[in-house]
Amino acid sequence: DIQMTQSPSSLSASVGDRVTITCRASQGITNYLAWIQQKPGKAPKSLIYAASSLQSGVPSNFSGSGSGTDFTLTISSLQPEDFATYYCQQYSTYPLTFGGGTKVEIK
Amino acid sequence: EVQLVESGGGLVQPGGSLRVSCTASGFTFSEYYMDWVRQAPGKGLEWVGRIRNKANSYTTEYAASVKGRFTISRDDSKNSVHLQMNSLKIEDTAVYYCARGGRYYDTSGYSYFYMDVWGNGTTVTVSS
Repeated sequence: DIQMTQSPSSLSASVGDRVTITCRASQGITNYLAWIQQKPGKAPKSLIYAASSLQSGVPSNFSGSGSGTDFTLTISSLQPEDFATYYCQQYSTYPLTFGGGTKVEIK
Repeated sequence: EVQLVESGGGLVQPGGSLRVSCTASGFTFSEYYMDWVRQAPGKGLEWVGRIRNKANSYTTEYAASVKGRFTISRDDSKNSVHLQMNSLKIEDTAVYYCARGGRYYDTSGYSYFYMDVWGNGTTVTVSS
């Protein structure tokens, strides 16, 4: 199975900060990577697919990059509604696997 | 509006069975793959399994942790997908989400599927 490792597992940031979350795959997955946001008590929400393509309706302050084994999710200017947990997920190979999550908290 | 609504969750004893369902609306259900993902209390997301569409013979894939115990099926006439869970264990306690397999094409023309729309989940508790 492909292991997805996210870092950090949590971070504290202020509104307006630039935030970067990294995700590393245990083997190459080309760009078959998605980023998912989950707020407490809510359903997950798709943000990005194909490593860098923005899901329809997602604000442009979210961006993704990377290929192969190393990927990044960047929030260019953190907004109050962006405080949540973020997961990466690979869909290159079965079983599909998720990273452990990164919790973004208010500083 | 594209929507997925799960139902059927509840309390079941270890070793028991339960079927949860997901009803879709707002899109042509029959064209899409569908996934089940679960989240144990206080934990991260875990993929459970996938069912492909009719064009791909309704074939399925499962996580090792549920293979042989869980079965995914679908009824395109009712825009629904089901997760039959047998031989339930305490560690199967989780919120179960269904998700739509959104399709896109890469530069080579191959199609790939990612989870683009999620339901709100249904809670399954396995306890004596």
